[in-house]
Amino acid sequence: LAKTTQPISMDSYEGQEVNITCSHNNIATNDYITWYQQFPSQGPRFIIQGYKTKVTNEVASLFIPADRKSSTLSLPRVSLSDTAVYYCLARNNNDMRFGAGTRLTVKP
Amino acid sequence: DGGITQSPKYLFRKEGQNVTLSCEQNLNHDAMYWYRQDPGQGLRLIYYSQIVNDFQKGDIAEGYSVSREKKESFPLTVTSAQKNPTAFYLCASSNLGERDRAYFGPGTRLLVL
Repeated sequence: LAKTTQPISMDSYEGQEVNITCSHNNIATNDYITWYQQFPSQGPRFIIQGYKTKVTNEVASLFIPADRKSSTLSLPRVSLSDTAVYYCLARNNNDMRFGAGTRLTVKP
Repeated sequence: DGGITQSPKYLFRKEGQNVTLSCEQNLNHDAMYWYRQDPGQGLRLIYYSQIVNDFQKGDIAEGYSVSREKKESFPLTVTSAQKNPTAFYLCASSNLGERDRAYFGPGTRLLVL
């Protein structure tokens, strides 16, 4: 099972770019890396997913180096509404165990 | 309108009582999951099921039981053996591929009277 490690918390200011790195040293060949966002008292929701190199969607970018032992979620120009907990998951079939997540606080 | 629903939103349990949390999905997903979340903490896996009539224990299954009699339903029972049941309970579903994203319900908050 691929275990993920993330910083417990991060602070940022509105308009800045935020990068959250996740470590997954024992990631398996078939694992995809998926990031979820959770607001208080809600279920997590999907943000972005990738296998290697770079993936970008309307919300975020995901950078995965060639060795795939880490990944970085990049949120461009954050706003107050991006304050949430962000979870990194190295998905392998039915392995859906989440780590502790990173609590991002965006300040005005 | 496809999605995953949980009921009730709030549930109160008396000492020694079993309570059942409902989870239903109409996404035709094979797999369903139950998580527990304590204040300020991450999600911990209680049970999961990949197929009807089969389920596996997660990391904190003690004091909980589940059933999967239908593909769309995965109820969780919090038994009296669970001594600290106060938490936020989340149900999720997905297909089984590595690229399949999980969809979460809105959660049930369980409180002990």
